[in-house]
Amino acid sequence: GAVVSQHPSWVICKSGTSVKIECRSLDFQATTMFWYRQFPKQSLMLMATSNEGSKATYEQGVEKDKFLINHASLTLSTLTVTSAHPEDSSFYICSATRHTDGTDTQYFGPGTRLTVL
Amino acid sequence: SQQGEEDPQALSIQEGENATMNCSYKTSINNLQWYRQNSGRGLVHLILIRSNEREKHSGRLRVTLDTSKKSSSLLITASRAADTASYFCATVSGGSNYKLTFGKGTLLTVNP
Repeated sequence: GAVVSQHPSWVICKSGTSVKIECRSLDFQATTMFWYRQFPKQSLMLMATSNEGSKATYEQGVEKDKFLINHASLTLSTLTVTSAHPEDSSFYICSATRHTDGTDTQYFGPGTRLTVL
Repeated sequence: SQQGEEDPQALSIQEGENATMNCSYKTSINNLQWYRQNSGRGLVHLILIRSNEREKHSGRLRVTLDTSKKSSSLLITASRAADTASYFCATVSGGSNYKLTFGKGTLLTVNP
């Protein structure tokens, strides 16, 4: 099957610091990856689309200077939360798209729990 | 923005019973997908149904799609305690083949 990993699985940081989250597709190449955030007991909200070799596309209301996305290779995308504040505390989930049988299926990582103190 | 709306928001049943969750959406779609999420974990893809399909089965799962009503249902038969999780529908619309818009989800609790 298609496996997507995230690192770290959880992180606690002080307000004002930056945190980098990695998303890797382990057994397939993904030209497109997505970053979501999920607040407790809520659904996933798409933050941005990460395209290998080009700039990410951000959803409306998501600050691109605060959430820096780099998709440096076909198997790795990173999300950096810059100058994190307590309101950035959330569950961040990435997904990677795999094209199979004419359909693009997204495979999700296990998520990263960010807590900003 | 949220496209899908699931109901019920929460469902509690006994092991062995069937669980039905519904999803409604607002715009035309290319396909609709159902995902499962255990508490604090990532999402697991369950099943995809294309806009020209009406019903699909996978093991104990049965998904229906009614594009005229812009709705879908997920039926889990003979539920097990291990089926306890949140279930989300997600739609793919427009020119994108892969951008998902998630509904709010249904929290299913299966009591042993």
